Amino acid sequence: GENVEQHPSTLSVQEGDSAVIKCTYSDSASNYFPWYKQELGKRPQLIIDIRSNVGEKKDQRIAVTLNKTAKHFSLHITETQPEDSAVYFCAGSGNAGNMLTFGGGTRLMVKP
Amino acid sequence: ETGVTQSPTHLIKTRGQQVTLRCSSQSGHNTVSWYQQALGQGPQFIFQYYREEENGRGNFPPRFSGLQFPNYSSELNVNALELDDSALYLCASSPTEMNTEAFFGQGTRLTVV
Repeated sequence: GENVEQHPSTLSVQEGDSAVIKCTYSDSASNYFPWYKQELGKRPQLIIDIRSNVGEKKDQRIAVTLNKTAKHFSLHITETQPEDSAVYFCAGSGNAGNMLTFGGGTRLMVKP
Repeated sequence: ETGVTQSPTHLIKTRGQQVTLRCSSQSGHNTVSWYQQALGQGPQFIFQYYREEENGRGNFPPRFSGLQFPNYSSELNVNALELDDSALYLCASSPTEMNTEAFFGQGTRLTVV
């Protein structure tokens, strides 16, 4: 089955700096890669996703890149703000359907 | 508000007991997936239901079972509870069974003592 690894497990940045979170996956059949943000005690919320036919996708301060050959994808947050502080999860899903395999999470702390 | 609701929000059970968790999917969504999230970890896929049939299953024992009803709401049942079953149980609904955005509910925090 799919295995998704995520690094780093914690990341501390200064407000205004950029943050990068990286994930690798094992199943070459995976074709859908969402990123979720989970604040303490709340539900995971989708912030951006990318499909395997696209190499990069941007949405305001958030971007995701995908390298299918190397089987890794990354989340980039620019101009970080204190409200970006949360746990971020990457995930992958293959042709079998919308069954997500999640990474272990990255706790992002943005210091004012 | 995503429209996916789960009940109850918190639950305490004793080892060996059985529990049923409920999920109402978002309007128009026919697919519900269940995930277990242990403290400090990422969600782990339990199973998915599409149009009332189990459509896929993760690495969980048979004592984890489920149902989906004609209105696409769903139940997760866990028999013979173990201490390690203590976790946040999340359900997610999707418009289809294929790779589309999954909308999560707020979860049910289960504590087994």
